[in-house]
Amino acid sequence: DIVLTQSPGTLSLSPGERATLSCRASQSLSNNLLAWYQQRPGQAPRLLIHGASMRASGIPDRFSGSGSGTDFSLTISRLEPEDFAVYYCQQYDTSPRTFGQGTKVEIK
Amino acid sequence: QVQVQQWGAGLLNPSETLSLTCAAYGPSFSGTYRTWIRQSPGKGLEWIGEINDTGSVNHNPSLKSRVTISMDTSKNQFSLKLSSVTAADTAVYYCRQAWCSAGTCSDSWGQGTLVTVSA
Repeated sequence: DIVLTQSPGTLSLSPGERATLSCRASQSLSNNLLAWYQQRPGQAPRLLIHGASMRASGIPDRFSGSGSGTDFSLTISRLEPEDFAVYYCQQYDTSPRTFGQGTKVEIK
Repeated sequence: QVQVQQWGAGLLNPSETLSLTCAAYGPSFSGTYRTWIRQSPGKGLEWIGEINDTGSVNHNPSLKSRVTISMDTSKNQFSLKLSSVTAADTAVYYCRQAWCSAGTCSDSWGQGTLVTVSA
């Protein structure tokens, strides 16, 4: 199975600041088949980014994804209050699809 | 916009079979993937399995042969059965439908069902 390692575990930032989250895969993902999800407390996750860098429908442009091969990142350019949540990466290159353990973005 | 709604029993005894159903409402898109994901209390996400438009199923080998995923296209529903449950299967179970259209992708998740396995 492909193991995804997210860092940091927790990111403490203030509204308006920039957040950069990392996701590293244990083996290279062909066609960069990596997605990012946001999960707010008490809610289901939602898709933010697919194909490593493509925003899902309706996702604000302050969210951007980048990377290839084994190293990927999610950047939130200016944190809004509703962005404080847990973020997961997921690979859908091979089965079983696997998730990272999550990065919590909390208010500093 | 596609909306999904899920239902099923929330309290099971050990060795029983978990059974959940998810219904999708709204437009249909080719290339849709229908997925089941679970989240143990206070933990991360675990992919259970998926079924595509052709009915081809892919599931997590860690659940061995306990998982059955099926769909009823006439009702636009898909289902999960997990047999011989134990306390380790206690989690919030989500269904998710994902599709791509006009060059972008979207998804819709069910509200989640907390399934508790306890004697």
